Amino acid sequence: QVQLMQSGAEVKKPGASVKVSCKASGYSFTRHDINWVRQAFGQGLEWMGGLDPNSGTTVYAERFQGRLTMTRNTSITTVYMELSSLTSDDTAVYYCAREYFYGSGTYEPFDPWGQGTLVTVSS
Amino acid sequence: DIQMTQSPSSLSASVGDRVTITCRASQNINSYLNWYQQKPGKAPELLMYAASTLQSGVPSRFSGSGSGTDFTLTISGLQPEDFGTYYCQQNYRAPLTFGQGTKVEIK
Repeated sequence: QVQLMQSGAEVKKPGASVKVSCKASGYSFTRHDINWVRQAFGQGLEWMGGLDPNSGTTVYAERFQGRLTMTRNTSITTVYMELSSLTSDDTAVYYCAREYFYGSGTYEPFDPWGQGTLVTVSS
Repeated sequence: DIQMTQSPSSLSASVGDRVTITCRASQNINSYLNWYQQKPGKAPELLMYAASTLQSGVPSRFSGSGSGTDFTLTISGLQPEDFGTYYCQQNYRAPLTFGQGTKVEIK
């Protein structure tokens, strides 16, 4: 079945960078975009951006421009999300989520999601 | 950015009740509206897409309606396993945005 398996929890100091991986299995990796969504404790969901694993093309939410980088390694069907210049406001659970293609003509909904990776930023 | 506003923020209902959650977009998003359910400590799961299409495996007591700016998610006959937080999301235009969530508790 389709699965997304994320890397483990991270603790980082302010100003550092974090790189979270998302390994996909159970489907043709290059045929579906992968998105990243984060959720601070007790808060709602925030879309960060998405990546087309076929071309490597990315789209980022403007608020993360300049410090967010999404990449992929097609040989191991893994997508990476790297966030730099971390502050305490970046403490959150980070989810990868595959697009569920229904032919919207725009962006697609997300299904399934990875299990989430807790990133804690603390001095 | 397109703002998504859900109401209510939380509700408590009994098993068997009919529950309605509303989501309003700050501009016309046609039918590019999705609903997710999230249980504590778990990732969200897709319930419905294109405003009214039930995702495979989701019970038929869930239904969705609306287009343009106003949407509803209805649970007809609330079940104990329906607790959690429900989020709407627009996929019309980037940045893709979510509502703030509606927490559903079982009385």
